Amino acid sequence: QVQLVESGGGVVQSGRSLRLSCAAAGFTFSSSPMHWVRRAPGKGLEWVAIILSDENITYYAEFVKGRFTISRDNSKNTLYLDISSLRPDDTSFYYCSSGTQLDYWGQGTLVTVSS
Amino acid sequence: QSALTQPASVSGSPGQTVTISCTVASSYIGHYNLVSWFQQHPGKAPKLLIFAFDSRPSGVSRRFSGSKSDNTASLTISGLQAEDEADYFCSSYATGPTLNYVFGGGTRVTVL
Repeated sequence: QVQLVESGGGVVQSGRSLRLSCAAAGFTFSSSPMHWVRRAPGKGLEWVAIILSDENITYYAEFVKGRFTISRDNSKNTLYLDISSLRPDDTSFYYCSSGTQLDYWGQGTLVTVSS
Repeated sequence: QSALTQPASVSGSPGQTVTISCTVASSYIGHYNLVSWFQQHPGKAPKLLIFAFDSRPSGVSRRFSGSKSDNTASLTISGLQAEDEADYFCSSYATGPTLNYVFGGGTRVTVL
């Protein structure tokens, strides 16, 4: 069955950088578009970015403003999200999701940014 | 202005039918098309319930159904059960020079 497991979250100081990872299994990772979505405490879901099966094609939400970079390593079945200049309002659970319809989701990894 | 608007909360008694609406803002009509619905229980991963307005993935209960009328998509939960108490989000995406996904603000369903 499809498995998506996020890692890399934790408590980080404002202004620092962080890399999140998402290990995928149970489907043809290289053929699937992949997303990052986040949910801040008390808020709703917020789409962050997508990377198509072609590793060079990426799209981002407007709020990202160049601070986030989505990437993938199809040889390792792994998705990444690099976040720079972290801010307290980046505090969220970060989820990876597969497919055009966001068919499957991981359990999420919590990023807490302290000021 | 949010592209997708949902009611903040909906409630019903066990066995009842509840409907959640998701309205596309007038300035976004024609940009955001197909609507999906997701369920999220506290501390759990979101789950896809409905895609392309009314299609159900394999394994999703038939008590969940989707529909569309003009610029509003709806999720209907029939035979409400205690386990349906969760947050529900609609979502859509726009294509063109860029690809952009959006979520509605979410609706908390409470089973009385």
